[in-house]
Amino acid sequence: KAGVTQTPRYLIKTRGQQVTLSCSPISGHRSVSWYQQTPGQGLQFLFEYFSETQRNKGNFPGRFSGRQFSNSRSEMNVSTLELGDSALYLCASSPLAGSYNEQFFGPGTRLTVL
Amino acid sequence: GIQVEQSPPDLILQEGANSTLRCNFSDSVNNLQWFHQNPWGQLINLFYIPSGTKQNGRLSATTVATERYSLLYISSSQTTDSGVYFCAVALSGGYNKLIFGAGTRLAVHP
Repeated sequence: KAGVTQTPRYLIKTRGQQVTLSCSPISGHRSVSWYQQTPGQGLQFLFEYFSETQRNKGNFPGRFSGRQFSNSRSEMNVSTLELGDSALYLCASSPLAGSYNEQFFGPGTRLTVL
Repeated sequence: GIQVEQSPPDLILQEGANSTLRCNFSDSVNNLQWFHQNPWGQLINLFYIPSGTKQNGRLSATTVATERYSLLYISSSQTTDSGVYFCAVALSGGYNKLIFGAGTRLAVHP
């Protein structure tokens, strides 16, 4: 069974631009969560989607948004990029919603904002 | 909010040595996972262990939920074990939201 896939793997943008990252979960998994990893803040939860609905959102500004499609694939969007948005963005999938579910991570998208 | 503390922050070992990594958490959880982050950034699942003990080859883990800690044991370490080890927990509340510790950076030298 294929793992979680994320595209693109690397991205370079300039301040003020917007970016869209994509995540395809493991086949059959319906929950997708997104995390941001930076050297200063570590790994932080961004949001969780299940059945095309955002169930929970972390403490991030409204510039960070996402969505989930009927096939469980998810995208996250960051508008008006700032230098501090440079980070590794990780997507995780799990079979169902619920905190007891094991999460499996993709390889990440490394975003650099210049 | 819940606090997740990992110790030690850094660990340097000679190949063949054993080590114990610790994760303390401040609230009741119903999910605890250990990950190894490889040099390319991907988080590799090691254990899903909200309670009890599990073993996988040279690695084993124990979580004592009532005392709010988990231990990851690495035996006969190899250079390929190098990297950062993360503990992450999720609260009993229905959301797939993992809260990560700051990690233990392990370097295994030949």
